[in-house]
Amino acid sequence: DTEVTQTPKHLVMGMTNKKSLKCEQHMGHRAMYWYKQKAKKPPELMFVYSYEKLSINESVPSRFSPECPNSSLLNLHLHALQPEDSALYLCASNDGTFGGGSTYNEQFFGPGTRLTVL
Amino acid sequence: GDSVTQMEGPVTLSEEAFLTINCTYTATGYPSLFWYVQYPGEGLQLLLKATKADDKGSNKGFEATYRKETTSFHLEKGSVQVSDSAVYFCALMIKAAGNKLTFGGGTRVLVKP
Repeated sequence: DTEVTQTPKHLVMGMTNKKSLKCEQHMGHRAMYWYKQKAKKPPELMFVYSYEKLSINESVPSRFSPECPNSSLLNLHLHALQPEDSALYLCASNDGTFGGGSTYNEQFFGPGTRLTVL
Repeated sequence: GDSVTQMEGPVTLSEEAFLTINCTYTATGYPSLFWYVQYPGEGLQLLLKATKADDKGSNKGFEATYRKETTSFHLEKGSVQVSDSAVYFCALMIKAAGNKLTFGGGTRVLVKP
């Protein structure tokens, strides 16, 4: 199984709503990533989890709250978002043994959740 | 800092034409290089990769060679199909930098029948 799954596929929410995005992988990968992608732009890294611990936060506003309940699951909790947060949110994973392991660490991407904030 | 520059699109081609997308990089360490493809409405898929100088990555008729002397990783395909219409991202990763991917701006390719 070389698949990263994300749910929901589409999400529309108001600025006062609380919602969550979910990402799952069963490849035994120990690093998981959240990216934000605006239209016609490359993905921008938001968070990295390594061995279920947050290792990188790219100065993301606190209205985005990541969570890694176990090595296969990654959530992104959303609260009080702004319309400019509308984007495609991508999850990725790799076998991410920082400083060790294979000479490259391919990231496997999920299909994304397309988020619209009204 | 590390960066990737790739040619701006859109690139419009006829079916069976030759495709080249230029990609150059600057990196403080010794990067691995990747091409990702994103079809409309989908996530990113790894197209090919190379981990050291002179390595050639290839997949689905696409090729790219890691050229350290010119810091380039140009993508080529000899005969494109309509199904190759997508956005192509060149990217680098330096392991010591926490396996973070640095992407180029993306090149949209449109292949017409």
